[in-house]
Amino acid sequence: KAGVTQTPRYLIKTRGQQVTLSCSPISGHRSVSWYQQTPGQGLQFLFEYFSETQRNKGNFPGRFSGRQFSNSRSEMNVSTLELGDSALYLCASSQTSSGETQYFGPGTRLLVL
Amino acid sequence: GENVEQHPSTLSVQEGDSAVIKCTYSDSASNYFPWYKQELGKRPQLIIDIRSNVGEKKDQRIAVTLNKTAKHFSLHITETQPEDSAVYFCAASIRSTGNQFYFGTGTSLTVIP
Repeated sequence: KAGVTQTPRYLIKTRGQQVTLSCSPISGHRSVSWYQQTPGQGLQFLFEYFSETQRNKGNFPGRFSGRQFSNSRSEMNVSTLELGDSALYLCASSQTSSGETQYFGPGTRLLVL
Repeated sequence: GENVEQHPSTLSVQEGDSAVIKCTYSDSASNYFPWYKQELGKRPQLIIDIRSNVGEKKDQRIAVTLNKTAKHFSLHITETQPEDSAVYFCAASIRSTGNQFYFGTGTSLTVIP
């Protein structure tokens, strides 16, 4: 099976702009979780989508949002970008939403100038 | 919410020696504990996991132990090799609440040939 894919792999934006990142899970996987990875904070959970519904949400401001489509592909959106949003954004997919093995994508590296 | 602490943040060992990384968690409801290895510029990859009904699990040179009473779990790598050099992350989740994983801040392991 093909692994988790993310697009784009790299992005450069300026403060105030908005950005949309995409994640395609492993075929058959219905859960997609998003994480922000920074050198100082490690991996921090953003949200999880399962069967097109947000199941869990981490402690991030409302500028961070997401959605999931019927084919399980997921997008996350960050509005009004801030310098501190510069990070590697990783998505991970699982077959179900019962705390089992997550498979990570390669990530999207976002740089906000 | 859950808080996962990981120590040490950096670890250097001689090739052939053992390496131990320790994590503590705060929420006694957590019942699934995966470990991920992330090589430079690559995605995190699951190397071993343990569920709360098991005290120890081993896979070749890698083992994980769990002490539910003390709320800590450890990763043990024996006979280390240069290719073990990477950043290792521990995580914890409560399976019944979905795929919301709380990660430690990572341990950068260097194996010196």
